[in-house]
Formats: sequence, C-alpha cells, structure tokens
Amino acid sequence: DSGVTQTPKHLITATGQRVTLRCSPRSGDLSVYWYQQSLDQGLQFLIQYYNGEERAKGNILERFSAQQFPDLHSELNLSSLELGDSALYFCASSSPPVETQYFGPGTRLLVL
Amino acid sequence: GENVEQHPSTLSVQEGDSAVIKCTYSDSASNYFPWYKQELGKGPQLIIDIRSNVGEKKDQRIAVTLNKTAKHFSLHITETQPEDSAVYFCAASKRSQGNLIFGKGTKLSVKP
Repeated sequence: DSGVTQTPKHLITATGQRVTLRCSPRSGDLSVYWYQQSLDQGLQFLIQYYNGEERAKGNILERFSAQQFPDLHSELNLSSLELGDSALYFCASSSPPVETQYFGPGTRLLVL
Repeated sequence: GENVEQHPSTLSVQEGDSAVIKCTYSDSASNYFPWYKQELGKGPQLIIDIRSNVGEKKDQRIAVTLNKTAKHFSLHITETQPEDSAVYFCAASKRSQGNLIFGKGTKLSVKP
C-alpha cells in the first residue's frame, strides 16, 4: 500500500458527460501528479500541483482540469467525455527534496 | 522534450534465471531514473531508483545501472521468481520538472 488513495476505483459513463476523480496524497506529501494510462499511449503525465498551485502541465486536454485543495487532496475533472478518454487514471504524490513518486491504485474510466 | 525508449517489450525467462531490461533517454538534463513494477489491476509500484551522480545501485535481487554518457540505464533482476512476473516501466525526470516520462513497459513472464 503506497498510502495514496483514489476514488472511485471504477467509473462507467456516457459520451458527453463529466466526471470527477479524487486523489488523497500520502501524509505529508505536498505534490500531486496525475497520469493517464492507455494501451496505445502508455503512461502519460497530465498535470502536477504543489501545495495548491499548478506546477507543471503535460499532455492534458483543454476538456480536462484539476485542482488541489487546502487539505492537499486533488480532483481531476474530465468533461465532454469521448470514447478515447477511456483509460486508467493514476495520481501520484511526492515531497521535496526527494522526487520519489508513489502511485495510487488508479481509477478505471470507461466511456460508452 | 524528453523521450524514453524501453526494450524489450516482452521478456520470458525461466525461474532462477536473470532478466535485463534496458532504457535509453534523450534529454541529457534528466537526472532521476526510477523503475516501477505494475501488477494487473494495480498502480505502478516503485522498486528501485537511481540518480545521475551514481552509476549503480543494488537492492537484494534488483540492481540498476546508469551510463550518463550513452544516456541509457538498465534494470537487472537476478534469481527470478514467478512473483516477479509483471509489467516493468522505466522513467526519467529532471529536477526542474518533477513529472516522469515513462517508457512503454516490458511484460516480464517468469516460468516455474
């Protein structure tokens, strides 16, 4: 158990809908990262937050957004969902000065 | 941007044999190289990592080597066991950017 929690574990929804994925980092970790894992693209970095502020952006679509709250948990919002958004979404957390990222169990999203 | 290539994509070994997975990276500024193990239905689990000021690191049956000049790093697993069967990912990052760039993964099968 990495100490990172994610909810829900599974999510089935329809095209055009909006969903919210939640992540709670390990106790004391200030950074939260979101990654998408699909069969064709592998593990891809989406966005990073550090202590409530956006720190880095990767291949995140404009339909996707995220935030980190004062209690350090983070939410990833996916809107106008398309079939191609079906994937595993992982969050990871870390704290400086060590870059080690610990991953949560993921949320499996299926868009029908 | 950074690109990480990983080989082979699949690897089958007999129990007790050694397994080697190789990765190359493109950005010479990358200085942190973790390896993750992902079992079916679970999130990536950190198994070992190495920083650019070190050439080799060992942890029991697992070792990682880094050649900064050639920009490649390798994972070595000795005395493989069936429970080592999983998908292994290498990754790279720069201190200035915490996000990880992942290889495409290697599916390791250890036959009893």
